[in-house]
Formats: sequence, structure tokens, C-alpha cells
Amino acid sequence: EAGVAQSPRYKIIEKRQSVAFWCNPISGHATLYWYQQILGQGPKLLIQFQNNGVVDDSQLPKDRFSAERLKGVDSTLKIQPAKLEDSAVYLCASSLLTVTRTDTQYFGPGTRLTVL
Amino acid sequence: AQKITQTQPGMFVQEKEAVTLDCTYDTSDQSYGLFWYKQPSSGEMIFLIYQGSYDEQNATEGRYSLNFQKARKSANLVISASQLGDSAMYFCAMIYYGNNRLAFGKGNQVVVIP
Repeated sequence: EAGVAQSPRYKIIEKRQSVAFWCNPISGHATLYWYQQILGQGPKLLIQFQNNGVVDDSQLPKDRFSAERLKGVDSTLKIQPAKLEDSAVYLCASSLLTVTRTDTQYFGPGTRLTVL
Repeated sequence: AQKITQTQPGMFVQEKEAVTLDCTYDTSDQSYGLFWYKQPSSGEMIFLIYQGSYDEQNATEGRYSLNFQKARKSANLVISASQLGDSAMYFCAMIYYGNNRLAFGKGNQVVVIP
């Protein structure tokens, strides 16, 4: 079974530029998550989708971050404009359902963003 | 709000020895789940083990076992017979099934030495 795919793996941009990340979840997984992981910390949830609807975006800085999952499969996360403090690893995860007690999230390899 | 605490400094472990990683959590909820993930230098978060709050037995997955003490709100990970490939960051995480948000601790660094 293929895992969660993400691209690009690495991205370097200058502040105030825009950047987009792509995620393809495990086939059949209804729920997709984007996390931000700053160096030395655990991942922090940015947004959660169930199919193509947003379940939780309470921690997404909506003035500069946006995300979509139009057909309920792939997702893109965009930052516009980027700030220095956005330098982090952006992890995508997916899970089968959100309501079962054994609903495990499986993560992709992440995109390491450096903002100069 | 959920809070996960992992306070151990970086650990060096001799190959083939066991290592215990501490995790405590703070919640007033009754229904929740606890996870441990491994993050090697490549960056991917690898699921290791899960424990439900109502599970009476401690979870085990191969060389990984979870020492779940509900009254003390601790969920320590035990890795038996350490291997060089176990060198990584280890994250404890909790999900509250009311909002399905997974909250992570800050992680424990483990280095296995031959």
C-alpha cells in the first residue's frame, strides 16, 4: 500500500514570496491533515479536512495560509506571503475515519521550507 | 485543552539494551487515545503504537510496548533490544475523540550506540 506522498521535499524562498505544497493521501482515507513542525517542537495541526470539507482550521493563520482539497483526495497548502517564522517542516497526514478509537494518522515525508 | 509532556533530555542507549521514554498527559476527558511516533532524520513521522483510554491491557507492537498508567496519566514507551536504526526523535501524542485533534509533545531524542 502506497503511503502519503508530498512534494516538494525541500523549498527555499525569500520572505514575501509565495509557496505551495502538495499532498496525496493514502487511497481511501477520508481525512487529511496539515501540520507545521518548527525545529525542536512537535507538529502542530494547521487544518483538517474530511473528504473535501474543512473540519478544523482554528490554528491556521488565515491571513497568509490557505488550503484546499477540491475533489476530496489531493490537497494543497499555500503560504502567501511567507514570513521568516514560517520556516518549518510541513507534514501531511491522512486517516481512514475520524470517529473510530483506532483511527491512526499516517504521515508523509514532509516538506522542509526555509524562508530567507 | 490537552497537554503532553516529554521532559527527558537526549538519551544515549547501548545497542541491545532496553530504553524507556516518559510521557505524561493532562486531560479531564474520559475518552482519548495515546500514540507514539518515531521521527528519524529523514523527517517522516512513523506510527509505532496506540493505546486507548479504555484499554485494560498495555499495548504491544513487536519491540515496542506502552506502559499505560491511567491514574497517573502516564504513557511511557519501552523499546526492547535497541537497534542502531532506533536512533530518532520519539513523539508522544494524544487524541481526544471529542474534536479528533492530535496533540504532540516536544519529543525525546534517542541515540543508539554500538
